[in-house]
Amino acid sequence: EVQLVESGGGLVQPGGSLRLSCAASGFTFSSYWMSWVRQAPGKGLEWVANIKQDGSEKYYVDSVKGRFTISRDNAKNSLYLQMNSLRAEDTAVYYCARVRDSSGYYSIFDYWGQGTLVTVSS
Amino acid sequence: EIVMTQSPATLSVSPGERATLSCRASQSVSSNLAWYQQKPGQAPRLLIYGASTRATGIPARFSGSGSGTEFTLTISSLQSEDFAVYYCQQYNNWPPVTFGQGTKVEIK
Repeated sequence: EVQLVESGGGLVQPGGSLRLSCAASGFTFSSYWMSWVRQAPGKGLEWVANIKQDGSEKYYVDSVKGRFTISRDNAKNSLYLQMNSLRAEDTAVYYCARVRDSSGYYSIFDYWGQGTLVTVSS
Repeated sequence: EIVMTQSPATLSVSPGERATLSCRASQSVSSNLAWYQQKPGQAPRLLIYGASTRATGIPARFSGSGSGTEFTLTISSLQSEDFAVYYCQQYNNWPPVTFGQGTKVEIK
């Protein structure tokens, strides 16, 4: 059974940093692109970033470029999101998701974690 | 960036009735469109990809159609567990991947 379990969320002050983790199991993690998608309270879904199987390609939504870094450790079956210079508008539940298509061309999210809440507030 | 627009924002339907949800793209996305279902407090679940292919384990009462800029998700006979928010998502031209704002299907 595919499982994705996020951790690392919490309350952080504006300008602060946080590192999210996603532990994957039930599939060959190193064979899949992975993604972070977020959802502000009461709002819709917003794609944040994608990373290729070997970490050699990374893509970000413009609003987080230069502030967030997606990474992975295939030996630990883990995905990460380093978030710096956090703003109030980054407040959201952050989901990690698996990209169904191994080529990464078709960014379809077939499995999702339960999410971790990040609150940016003073 | 491709903007996805869903309508209506809220759809009130009685159990057993048919629900039709619409999604429009600001430019052609070919058939590279997915639909997700999200219930309160839960993660989204993939329903449809490739505009019309049901994901693993999705009941046949869910069907998707369309191509280019106009897409439809149809739930043929609403069950109690189908009341949720539905999102469309394009993956034809990314980054960025973009989602619609969602359609809430509520009990009439």
